[in-house]
Amino acid sequence: GAGVSQSPSNKVTEKGKDVELRCDPISGHTALYWYRQSLGQGLEFLIYFQGNSAPDKSGLPSDRFSAERTGGSVSTLTIQRTQQEDSAVYLCASSLPLRDRGRAFFGQGTRLTVV
Amino acid sequence: SQQGEEDPQALSIQEGENATMNCSYKTSINNLQWYRQNSGRGLVHLILIRSNEREKHSGRLRVTLDTSKKSSSLLITASRAADTASYFCATADSNTGNQFYFGTGTSLTVIP
Repeated sequence: GAGVSQSPSNKVTEKGKDVELRCDPISGHTALYWYRQSLGQGLEFLIYFQGNSAPDKSGLPSDRFSAERTGGSVSTLTIQRTQQEDSAVYLCASSLPLRDRGRAFFGQGTRLTVV
Repeated sequence: SQQGEEDPQALSIQEGENATMNCSYKTSINNLQWYRQNSGRGLVHLILIRSNEREKHSGRLRVTLDTSKKSSSLLITASRAADTASYFCATADSNTGNQFYFGTGTSLTVIP
């Protein structure tokens, strides 16, 4: 596609439910990032995928959070047993490898509200 | 935290004035980038400055980088109401090269 696509745009879920957030990166971008942004805050790094390398999961806040990237393209971020503090905008970005001076292209985000 | 810090957190100016935002970071970097965010959604890339560059211009934007002080500034000249947004700096760690580290952002309001 022409840009990074995220779905759904908005998600309201009940506390305790599982949610899946999807990201379609720009074709050919080997790097994919997930960030979380709480209201009025900066971007919190969650996870990074680069090609076939093991992902950098150092930013995942708890074991309720997981992500996968199938076939080096689409990525899914899963949050299990959602809590109210998980409410935030989840942003996905893709880029060429940073060492190739890649800039990040962001999707419009998924606004998650846990009620 | 490896995240940077933008300063000020919020800035309000009159249309036509210049806006200056600063960013400090902690790691050794390959490059530093500035992004803009409208309405808490996706970020849009504005400008990239490499670690061996000291100043860069793009239209009404001017970015400086001081690697000895681990700081950068973004100047928006002749501001417009449409410049109202949040501005973030992001650094690419030269050691890991794995990810972008974002600052906390400056919220800019340009009053018509």
